[in-house]
Amino acid sequence: DTAVSQTPKYLVTQMGNDKSIKCEQNLGHDTMYWYKQDSKKFLKIMFSYNNKELIINETVPNRFSPKSPDKAHLNLHINSLELGDSAVYFCASSQEGTVRNTIYFGEGSWLTVV
Amino acid sequence: QKEVEQNSGPLSVPEGAIASLNCTYSDRGSQSFFWYRQYSGKSPELIMSIYSNGDKEDGRFTAQLNKASQYVSLLIRDSQPSDSATYLCAVAGGGYNKLIFGAGTRLAVHP
Repeated sequence: DTAVSQTPKYLVTQMGNDKSIKCEQNLGHDTMYWYKQDSKKFLKIMFSYNNKELIINETVPNRFSPKSPDKAHLNLHINSLELGDSAVYFCASSQEGTVRNTIYFGEGSWLTVV
Repeated sequence: QKEVEQNSGPLSVPEGAIASLNCTYSDRGSQSFFWYRQYSGKSPELIMSIYSNGDKEDGRFTAQLNKASQYVSLLIRDSQPSDSATYLCAVAGGGYNKLIFGAGTRLAVHP
């Protein structure tokens, strides 16, 4: 059983479209994250939710909207996709949102905007 | 100024040698330090975590932390070709687990 699973794994879409990436964790963790890894392999946090409450919201265009229906799920919706949104998006989770908790990553969703 | 800096490499070492990976960070309030390994096309996986000054050993891996110098390192003993990957240094501080990653060092272990 995959601990942190996200779908789809690969997504190719046209500029201007709206798309969603779904994430689920079965670890019983309280905190979930979205990270973005760009073409230079730089991994950067976008959002974090703790028990469905948004606790980290980095400087991300408001075209990106996370939604956490429950603490096991964190989805990412992207409106009006742009070429620069092409990246790998990693969902992750940790037991709590505090600094000593190990973060476990999902397998990534490869988004290509054409 | 980058918050977490790593040499991008590639760092090339022969099989059986010690690989030494280094990382510096800018936030003196950082409390937790992690090394993740990322194979090409895969997700990052945790190798080591360290929270206090000094060394922490786990199998062939040793993490070293020097908060005064704002420096973290990872030593890999008896390097194997399967260790060839990108190693990401990550630093967390503050109330929430906001990991700041370095750009990663690519390690190549050749037979």
